Amino acid sequence: DVRMTQSPSYLSAAVGDRVTITCRASQSISAYLSWYQQTPGKAPKLLIYAASSLQSGVPSRFSGSGSETDFTLTISNLQPEDFATYYCQQSYRIPYTFGQGTKLEIK
Amino acid sequence: QVQLVQSGAEVKKPGSSVKVSCMTSGGTFTSYAFHWVRQAPGQGLEWVGGIIPIIRTTHYAQRFEGRITINADESTGTVYMELRSLISEDTAVFFCARERQRRDLVGGSFFDFWGQGTLLTVSS
Repeated sequence: DVRMTQSPSYLSAAVGDRVTITCRASQSISAYLSWYQQTPGKAPKLLIYAASSLQSGVPSRFSGSGSETDFTLTISNLQPEDFATYYCQQSYRIPYTFGQGTKLEIK
Repeated sequence: QVQLVQSGAEVKKPGSSVKVSCMTSGGTFTSYAFHWVRQAPGQGLEWVGGIIPIIRTTHYAQRFEGRITINADESTGTVYMELRSLISEDTAVFFCARERQRRDLVGGSFFDFWGQGTLLTVSS
């Protein structure tokens, strides 16, 4: 199985800050990497697909980059509604696997 | 407007079975694959399995092999997940999700729409 490792697991930031979350795959997954945002009690929401493509309706302060094994999600100018948990997921090979999540908290 | 609407919460006893449904609307059912994702209390997301309805192909996570069945009813656009021989560790929220594949884009395979989640509680 492709193991996905996210870092950090917890992140504390203030409104207006810029933050970066990283995701590393245990083997090359090309650009088959998505990022999801989840708030408590809700389903995950797609933010980024194909490593760097912004899902329709998602604010442009979210951006993704990377390929092969190393990927990043960057959130610029943090807004109150951005404080949530973020997951990466690879869809290169079944079983599809998720990172363990990064909880973004308000400082 | 695409919607995935799941069946309601379930409480089951250890050793029993549960069948959760995911009714889709607003898209061409056979153009997509559908997956189930599990989230145990306070934990992360775990892929459980998926189905490609048009070719009736299923894939399951190894840890569920032998006690899970995912199937689809094209006439109603509904996907089902049955989990058998339930144990207390199966207590979790189960989400269904639609996988979109964009052939024009490298890496264009992603879960674009999700159901609201179904809480399964396994307790004696």
